[in-house]
Amino acid sequence: DADVTQTPRNRITKTGKRIMLECSQTKGHDRMYWYRQDPGLGLRLIYYSFDVKDINKGEISDGYSVSRQAQAKFSLSLESAIPNQTALYFCATHRGNTEAFFGQGTRLTVV
Amino acid sequence: AQSVAQPEDQVNVAEGNPLTVKCTYSVSGNPYLFWYVQYPNRGLQFLLKYITGDNLVKGSYGFEAEFNKSQTSFHLKKPSALVSDSALYFCAVRDSSASKIIFGSGTRLSIRP
Repeated sequence: DADVTQTPRNRITKTGKRIMLECSQTKGHDRMYWYRQDPGLGLRLIYYSFDVKDINKGEISDGYSVSRQAQAKFSLSLESAIPNQTALYFCATHRGNTEAFFGQGTRLTVV
Repeated sequence: AQSVAQPEDQVNVAEGNPLTVKCTYSVSGNPYLFWYVQYPNRGLQFLLKYITGDNLVKGSYGFEAEFNKSQTSFHLKKPSALVSDSALYFCAVRDSSASKIIFGSGTRLSIRP
């Protein structure tokens, strides 16, 4: 089983719909992140969480919200999806000065 | 504030030649530096990291990187490129004050036979 699991892997949704992307990890790490990847823009940080009660906005948090349901689970929601939120979304986790471990990504298309 | 820059969108190298992918950073404290590789339709795979110690860090697949504090750089290198090294490479940084990890914009490495 993967250390970091993202569901769904692919999703097409309509403009205005609410959608949730889920992430779970079995590494036992306290820190979790959501990034989005767009061609030429690298990975941009949406939200991050250093523990269950600690949620922080990243550089592009507008239009997104998150929930840290447990140490191992970190969900990303788009309350009302818009086409420019079409992207590849990655969840990641790490602890202390270790490297980050990434999920396989969720390809989201908003039509 | 933290930042990381990868000045080259694309690097083209002939197979067998040495390669360098550049990365510069800015942090307020001591840096923790990372390189990742992404193959098509895949997630990011960790290559190597610098936390402390020797400035030359060796990682997976024959890659290495040199930490240069005075130039605030952490360039990725390999003595002899392989066609299979063709991929998207990301540099990442966080500072030692337990802050978040941020990534550069990525460099596409293309190795021609």
